[in-house]
Amino acid sequence: KNEVEQSPQNLTAQEGEFITINCSYSVGISALHWLQQHPGGGIVSLFMLSSGKKKHGRLIATINIQEKHSSLHITASHPRDSAVYICAVSMDSNYQLIWGAGTKLIIKP
Amino acid sequence: NAGVTQTPKFRILKIGQSMTLQCTQDMNHNYMYWYRQDPGMGLKLIYYSVGAGITDKGEVPNGYNVSRSTTEDFPLRLELAAPSQTSVYFCASSWRIWETQYFGPGTRLLVL
Repeated sequence: KNEVEQSPQNLTAQEGEFITINCSYSVGISALHWLQQHPGGGIVSLFMLSSGKKKHGRLIATINIQEKHSSLHITASHPRDSAVYICAVSMDSNYQLIWGAGTKLIIKP
Repeated sequence: NAGVTQTPKFRILKIGQSMTLQCTQDMNHNYMYWYRQDPGMGLKLIYYSVGAGITDKGEVPNGYNVSRSTTEDFPLRLELAAPSQTSVYFCASSWRIWETQYFGPGTRLLVL
């Protein structure tokens, strides 16, 4: 079983829809990261969180430590949000990041 | 600030050749990382460094070497290139270890 699992693997939605991407992990963590990988390949860190909720523009990230689960939400989605969204966790034991395989999001106009 | 820069952007190598992937950051970060990303897969850590002169292995170090003589530079050396090393290589840096990482644009390597 992968230590970090993302769902769905692929998501296609219409412009304006509310988007939710999920990340579940099976180990104790000190922090969880959400990153965005653009179609051209560049990777940008979106959030790092260890509890609660963070918001930046139309992006919201939440984490439930007890349930070992995090969600990334996008409100009023736009075609420019089309990208791969990656979840990664920093483990308690040795702190190396463990990466999910990513969720490929396509927003159609 | 340029952030994290990587050269080259793309390279084709023949089996058995060697090359160095360059990575430079201008944010004065102590922590730097090399990852590889195979098609459709997540990132895998090759090596990381916690400061000049200090490096450590990640998940997939075999076939690679690194050095860190300055805070700014963290080159990745491939010796005896193999087709299994065909991948996209990303360099990243951070202010604190394993916290928010800033990524370079990547180097696409094809070994034939």
